[in-house]
Amino acid sequence: GAGVSQSPRYKVAKRGQDVALRCDPISGHVSLFWYQQALGQGPEFLTYFQNEAQLDKSGLPSDRFFAERPEGSVSTLKIQRTQQEDSAVYLCASSLGYTKGVNEQFFGPGTRLTVL
Amino acid sequence: GENVEQHPSTLSVQEGDSAVIKCTYSDSASNYFPWYKQELGKRPQLIIDIRSNVGEKKDQRIAVTLNKTAKHFSLHITETQPEDSAVYFCAALIWIKAAGNKLTFGGGTRVLVKP
Repeated sequence: GAGVSQSPRYKVAKRGQDVALRCDPISGHVSLFWYQQALGQGPEFLTYFQNEAQLDKSGLPSDRFFAERPEGSVSTLKIQRTQQEDSAVYLCASSLGYTKGVNEQFFGPGTRLTVL
Repeated sequence: GENVEQHPSTLSVQEGDSAVIKCTYSDSASNYFPWYKQELGKRPQLIIDIRSNVGEKKDQRIAVTLNKTAKHFSLHITETQPEDSAVYFCAALIWIKAAGNKLTFGGGTRVLVKP
């Protein structure tokens, strides 16, 4: 079946521009996560959704970062007034959800954001 | 919050030899420990995981061990092959029902298998 997909795969933005990154999770997956992966480092947690509810946004680095999942499927990560330090790969992951116990998070291919 | 340390950061082995990667975690409440393999420009993919009620798990050439007392876990790859070359990440998770299950990752180990 189809895995997690993300678009665009690459995004170049000028400093100060707003960007929107899209994630399509695996169909039926309740949980959705966003991670930020800087070059040469491990992914770092940004935010977590269970269906449409954003249950944890403790990893969002500033109020310029905003995520939503209005219908409990597709999610969008929006970054306002981008800065050079926002340059990273943004990974989306989905899983079956907590009612199934702890279970595998499946990752998308990521969106590589470069802020000039 | 949870902190995961991973060593070494790079590992070069001869084809056929074994590779060992070690991780430590800080929060004794962590109860799930997956390992991901990430090839250049690709997505992280789960290769093996272990839960806190298990001390060791094996899947063909890959094994993971967990020492809860010492709060460390290790990945062992035997009979390494060139296609094992990649970056490997360990992670820890505190699974709390309905409260989310975010992964905390180590910094990664770049493994190079030389033919």
